[in-house]
Amino acid sequence: EPEVTQTPSHQVTQMGQEVILRCVPISNHLYFYWYRQILGQKVEFLVSFYNNEISEKSEIFDDQFSVERPDGSNFTLKIRSTKLEDSAMYFCASSEAEQFNSPLHFGNGTRLTVT
Amino acid sequence: RKEVEQDPGPFNVPEGATVAFNCTYSNSASQSFFWYRQDCRKEPKLLMSVYSSGNEDGRFTAQLNRASQYISLLIRDSKLSDSATYLCVVISMDSNYQLIWGAGTKLIIKP
Repeated sequence: EPEVTQTPSHQVTQMGQEVILRCVPISNHLYFYWYRQILGQKVEFLVSFYNNEISEKSEIFDDQFSVERPDGSNFTLKIRSTKLEDSAMYFCASSEAEQFNSPLHFGNGTRLTVT
Repeated sequence: RKEVEQDPGPFNVPEGATVAFNCTYSNSASQSFFWYRQDCRKEPKLLMSVYSSGNEDGRFTAQLNRASQYISLLIRDSKLSDSATYLCVVISMDSNYQLIWGAGTKLIIKP
């Protein structure tokens, strides 16, 4: 079964550094998402991406964050100047159609630790 | 009132028992409903969609009650491997079709 893959599985970075989290969505999917989950808390929506542009973003997704689909396969989340509170699991997801019509498939996540 | 509410549990249930838990939602315009399962420190995985008529998948039954604005998940003949956190997810047009996640109900199946 096709999978969403994320790399790295664990990223440790110092406060103030930039990190790029990488995702390869399922190949025939058109909608891409980033979510995060702080340990012990609920899953939080960050951003959705369709047709090479952001379609929706949450309040969490401020100027510190950006997404990019640099080629036909990768979907990246960049966090500039990381803060301690950015430590969380970051999940990439993709879907064939809009999310109310099509289930999301999640990657295994990247655990980001900011020290 | 939170948009999606779940009893956090944990529900401690003996193997083989039947367990059910609910999820209430506040937005009457909610259109789509899902149950996801999340193992500790892993990604959420879709368990089942919840249809108006209710649906069953093996030992799992999901129901929607629009009048009372809740969905339910019933697990029959529970297995040790059912131990996980079960996340309720709701989508509504009002939220621009974003998934609204509950905080999850933790289920522990004991031998």
